[in-house]
Amino acid sequence: ILNVEQSPQSLHVQEGDSTNFTCSFPSSNFYALHWYRWETAKSPEALFVMTLNGDEKKKGRISATLNTKEGYSYLYIKGSQPEDSATYLCAFTSGGSNYKLTFGKGTLLTVNP
Amino acid sequence: EPEVTQTPSHQVTQMGQEVILRCVPISNHLYFYWYRQILGQKVEFLVSFYNNEISEKSEIFDDQFSVERPDGSNFTLKIRSTKLEDSAMYFCASSEWGQGGYGYTFGSGTRLTVV
Repeated sequence: ILNVEQSPQSLHVQEGDSTNFTCSFPSSNFYALHWYRWETAKSPEALFVMTLNGDEKKKGRISATLNTKEGYSYLYIKGSQPEDSATYLCAFTSGGSNYKLTFGKGTLLTVNP
Repeated sequence: EPEVTQTPSHQVTQMGQEVILRCVPISNHLYFYWYRQILGQKVEFLVSFYNNEISEKSEIFDDQFSVERPDGSNFTLKIRSTKLEDSAMYFCASSEWGQGGYGYTFGSGTRLTVV
């Protein structure tokens, strides 16, 4: 059974703080790791898709790293803003089933002004 | 920016009734998916669909579920006889390529409540 775990489950930070969350996934038969940002009542929005060990991706103040050998990815937000408040989901695809995303439970980020 | 559209946004149905959830994927996408999230749990894969057939399905996707692309634009999920445990948020997604190395575009979901 493929299991994707995210920590922490929830996080409250002050505006301007930098923060990071973790996603761990099975390191065997890895294909890709996805990060999505999901605001309530909206669609989950793709942030990054990473496939190679050591990948680092950046989009504005948000960046992500990938370690496929040990099975983890970090998502970083620099200088958090209230509009960053959302649930951040990671999802994994394996080589045996690369149609299917297996999701973690998400990290709920609340940024207080 | 192109969107995946889902209707209705919320549906309440009685146990045992059939429901059809509708999705309009992005027009040049070829791969279509349904996921669901039961309140408080992880988002779970249900089914993927390509070239007018199911390419993969999960153990959740039993004989009560079916998918169809009845015309060139809609992609539907039918639940024949709903159970209380089918209550969840159902997400449709589409992608240009089928391999999981590319981002998927999700709709905003249909919240199904079975009473």
